[in-house]
Amino acid sequence: TVVTQEPSFSVSPGGTVTLTCGLSSGSVSTSYYPSWYQQTPGQAPRTLIYNTNTRSSGVPDRFSGSILGNKAALTITGAQADDESDYYCVLYMGSGPWVFGGGTKLTVL
Amino acid sequence: QVHLVESGGGVVQPGRSLTLSCAASGLSFSNYGMHWVRQAPGKGLEWVALIWHDGSKKYYEDSVKGRFIISRDNSENTVYLQTNSLRAEDTAVYYCAAWLEGYRLHWGQGTLVTVSS
Repeated sequence: TVVTQEPSFSVSPGGTVTLTCGLSSGSVSTSYYPSWYQQTPGQAPRTLIYNTNTRSSGVPDRFSGSILGNKAALTITGAQADDESDYYCVLYMGSGPWVFGGGTKLTVL
Repeated sequence: QVHLVESGGGVVQPGRSLTLSCAASGLSFSNYGMHWVRQAPGKGLEWVALIWHDGSKKYYEDSVKGRFIISRDNSENTVYLQTNSLRAEDTAVYYCAAWLEGYRLHWGQGTLVTVSS
């Protein structure tokens, strides 16, 4: 099973961007408990969203999670310069293994 | 406040072994599953292994099955990853992560394993 993410995305400061997390075969649903992590170079991942749409403590409300069509989605509304990071989703496959997407490199310019 | 601290990384020759540790605090450790996740230089996150809260079930990514062993000591609030028959492609930062409520992961800071002759 391959979890798919856009390799890169660009957004203007103040703009809105939606990153997605899909499956090579099938649809992502809430049963996969999708979660999203932000990572800057040299740092450990930081939890943004879990259980599809629950924001982790201290995460600004400009970050939101949802299911859009057949994919999980992370939307950043009012992007800021320090949102420039790598973003990873992970899916619980229901039988033990979890699978990460390949990550999306977000540029804010 | 949940705190995870990995240790045990270093430089090791191909074919040799290394055991990583992750000490946990700030949570009822025996109630939670624990993962190991790795990140090769310049690459993305890769799930490696999972152990259930009581150690009764263990799961591995295909490329490490038969070479890596995950275990835990709930009396010491510690999870381990024994890495055997190491290969150059195992070079990575290894993170432990606690599987908390809502399928949320809480991460440690990672420990670097470099496999090189």
